[in-house]
Amino acid sequence: DQQVKQNSPSLSVQEGRISILNCDYTNSMFDYFLWYKKYPAEGPTFLISISSIKDKNEDGRFTVFLNKSAKHLSLHIVPSQPGDSAVYFCAASESGANSKLTFGKGITLSVRP
Amino acid sequence: EADIYQTPRYLVIGTGKKITLECSQTMGHDKMYWYQQDPGMELHLIHYSYGVNSTEKGDLSSESTVSRIRTEHFPLTLESARPSHTSQYLCASSEWQGANYYEQYFGPGTRLTVT
Repeated sequence: DQQVKQNSPSLSVQEGRISILNCDYTNSMFDYFLWYKKYPAEGPTFLISISSIKDKNEDGRFTVFLNKSAKHLSLHIVPSQPGDSAVYFCAASESGANSKLTFGKGITLSVRP
Repeated sequence: EADIYQTPRYLVIGTGKKITLECSQTMGHDKMYWYQQDPGMELHLIHYSYGVNSTEKGDLSSESTVSRIRTEHFPLTLESARPSHTSQYLCASSEWQGANYYEQYFGPGTRLTVT
């Protein structure tokens, strides 16, 4: 059973507009959430993260929002740029020495010029 | 910037061959991981290591094996490759951050095709 779900497989937005990528989780023990960006034939690169004690974290054009009660997080990219076109993975982890990342299936973002 | 390397980047090999996928990191991270990922699917953890001489199986069953003789090196071996092993293999590492190993740094991956 998938514990991290990215239900929309793809998203297409116009350059300059906002991209909103959603992620849901089922494991209430998850307390840290990360977003990774992946280009074809490359490894994922870390983008932004958020701890469960926060509800928002911002880094430049990227903001992650966490709604613990709904077990939902979202990544906002403003403004979107063609170079943002990639697959975005949501990942979650419990705390502790045995912490491992559980990934969603990813969302393919296409930013149209 | 994380420094983690994987070789080869691409490998096409026939059924029954033995292969070793190399992974090295220069950051001194104690924990390392191997993931398997297919297009449109999540990353599946197949092996991980807490440090030298430590190896554990991940959440996804795999016929591959790993070793950790040096901190910086975490190779993955398939004794007899099969078409079902065709996939992208991603190596990652992380360091203890006081309470967890959250953030992982990934290598570029090896795209394996078994014919």
